[in-house]
Amino acid sequence: QAVVTQEPSLTVSPGGTVTLTCGSSTGAVTSGHYPYWFQQKPGQAPTTLIHHVNNKYSWTPARFSGSLLGGKAALTLSGAQPEDEAEYYCLLVYNGVVVFGGGTKVTIL
Amino acid sequence: EVHLVESGGDLVQPGGSLRLSCVASGFTFSSAWMNWVRQAPGRGLEWVANVNPDGSGKYYMDSVKGRFTISRDNDKNSVYLEMNSLRAEDTALYYCFSGVGHWGQGTLVSVSA
Repeated sequence: QAVVTQEPSLTVSPGGTVTLTCGSSTGAVTSGHYPYWFQQKPGQAPTTLIHHVNNKYSWTPARFSGSLLGGKAALTLSGAQPEDEAEYYCLLVYNGVVVFGGGTKVTIL
Repeated sequence: EVHLVESGGDLVQPGGSLRLSCVASGFTFSSAWMNWVRQAPGRGLEWVANVNPDGSGKYYMDSVKGRFTISRDNDKNSVYLEMNSLRAEDTALYYCFSGVGHWGQGTLVSVSA
């Protein structure tokens, strides 16, 4: 099965901007991989932030946005808040088979 | 309000079997892909299996093929995971995740002698 790669950790200042990426071992990530992004805080179930590259849910804070960037899926957090400190996971779909990335630990500091 | 409620997790010996259930409410279940995702203690999310809306298409991660079976009952708004030949490495919190973005709180599966 394919391997999905994410940065292990990133640090951003309060109010700052950070971009997380999600790459595929099979080549460029496209809309056909239906990229999703999730946030998980310690001791909690994940929540879904973004689906199908850049589509938000009603509960997704406006400061989160998704895109395709340089052959990868990307999640940008603009105006980071202390409550955004969490683990972030991406997901790609390969003809029905789903693969999660290893997660990015985002620290607000 | 959307709810996904998992059940069926337990402590089981290696080689044993379990059946997990997830009951959904608050969205159009029969139109949604449904997934099982697991998370071992201190580890990341790992997709296990999914099933398409009418139940005709099912996909599995390599390490559970032949051991786990996913199914759904749209009349009961439920998705199931039948797990056989369980191994220690299957120990995890198992989440139900809908393709429309909703997660349950998980059910714990522990495989140990």
